[in-house]
Amino acid sequence: KAGVTQTPRYLIKTRGQQVTLSCSPISGHRSVSWYQQTPGQGLQFLFEYFSETQRNKGNFPGRFSGRQFSNSRSEMNVSTLELGDSALYLCASSSGLSPSYEQYFGPGTRLTVT
Amino acid sequence: GNSVTQMEGPVTLSEEAFLTINCTYTATGYPSLFWYVQYPGEGLQLLLKATKADDKGSNKGFEATYRKETTSFHLEKGSVQVSDSAVYFCALSDPQGGSEKLVFGKGTKLTVNP
Repeated sequence: KAGVTQTPRYLIKTRGQQVTLSCSPISGHRSVSWYQQTPGQGLQFLFEYFSETQRNKGNFPGRFSGRQFSNSRSEMNVSTLELGDSALYLCASSSGLSPSYEQYFGPGTRLTVT
Repeated sequence: GNSVTQMEGPVTLSEEAFLTINCTYTATGYPSLFWYVQYPGEGLQLLLKATKADDKGSNKGFEATYRKETTSFHLEKGSVQVSDSAVYFCALSDPQGGSEKLVFGKGTKLTVNP
């Protein structure tokens, strides 16, 4: 069974630009969550999608948005990039919403904002 | 809000040494507790979990016991190997609106020398 895949793996953008990251969950998984990982703040929850609906959202500004498609693939978008958005963005998929459903993480997309 | 505090790293041990990584939590309810491991260049993997007080999670020689009285979930391994070198994250589930996001500690980097 293929794992969670994230594209691209590395990305360099300039302040003010926007970026779209993609996540393909494990086949059959309907829940996708996104996390931001930085050395200073650690791992922070961004949002969770289940069956194309956002079910939960973390404390991030409206510049961070996401969506999920009917095939469960998910994208997250960051508009008007700031230097502080440089981070590793991790996607995780699971078969259900509850933590009793194990979350499987992808390798992440390393975003660098210059 | 709910939070997780892990011992500061990095931790450096010799092969076959005993490992303890401390983790304490603050939660209003009865969270589930997790340990995740992140190997270099990879996403997070669930190492073990416990869903109620006095439960012991174990996997690959690692174990942790959910201690409600001390609000702790310390990770232990009797004899570490070089291949255990990674970053370890303690996490709890945070019930919110019917969905449960993960709240992570800052992570503890472990290096095991031969």
